[in-house]
Amino acid sequence: EADIYQTPRYLVIGTGKKITLECSQTMGHDKMYWYQQDPGMELHLIHYSYGVNSTEKGDLSSESTVSRIRTEHFPLTLESARPSHTSQYLCASSALGGGNTEAFFGQGTRLTVV
Amino acid sequence: AQKVTQAQTEISVVEKEDVTLDCVYETRDTTYYLFWYKQPPSGELVFLIRRNSFDEQNEISGRYSWNFQKSTSSFNFTITASQVVDSAVYFCALTFTDKLSFGAGTTVTVRA
Repeated sequence: EADIYQTPRYLVIGTGKKITLECSQTMGHDKMYWYQQDPGMELHLIHYSYGVNSTEKGDLSSESTVSRIRTEHFPLTLESARPSHTSQYLCASSALGGGNTEAFFGQGTRLTVV
Repeated sequence: AQKVTQAQTEISVVEKEDVTLDCVYETRDTTYYLFWYKQPPSGELVFLIRRNSFDEQNEISGRYSWNFQKSTSSFNFTITASQVVDSAVYFCALTFTDKLSFGAGTTVTVRA
């Protein structure tokens, strides 16, 4: 059973607000990821991290930022939310490996910006 | 660049029918890994199966089986004797290092 948690599950917020989506895992995984998923669409990697103080941008350009101060915590921040940020955001983690280790996913945060 | 294509957008079957999901991938890497994930209505993606590029042996695990053919870059997935609980979105994914590239997903609906 995966131990990766995202809060909040649902968030409706006004344009221009700053928001932080939380993601925590208790599996001691070094690698963590943020994916953006629109309805009926594939998942797009927007950020990833290989460990503490490591953050990289993913394949899809995003106005969000991330930080990795602790192994278990990988929050995503939007400084000024816009309606175009409305989407589902999925956090994942995996153990170190050569690409053959599966990723464990949280339940996602469904963000709506009005 | 890596790309995963799932041509089937939606599949609807009656319980106990078999369901086969198609996945075609593109990669320039010689070493890579292929995955199938399931996303139930609750939202989280659940890992189902994994195959590396050097192992084309097809396997069966319970009601799940997969057919990996490197020559056609395909990694198809079959659910045998489908059940209502199998209703979900299924994603095929490809990775070389650690960046998973996902297909667009196939929505499977199993009717009682």
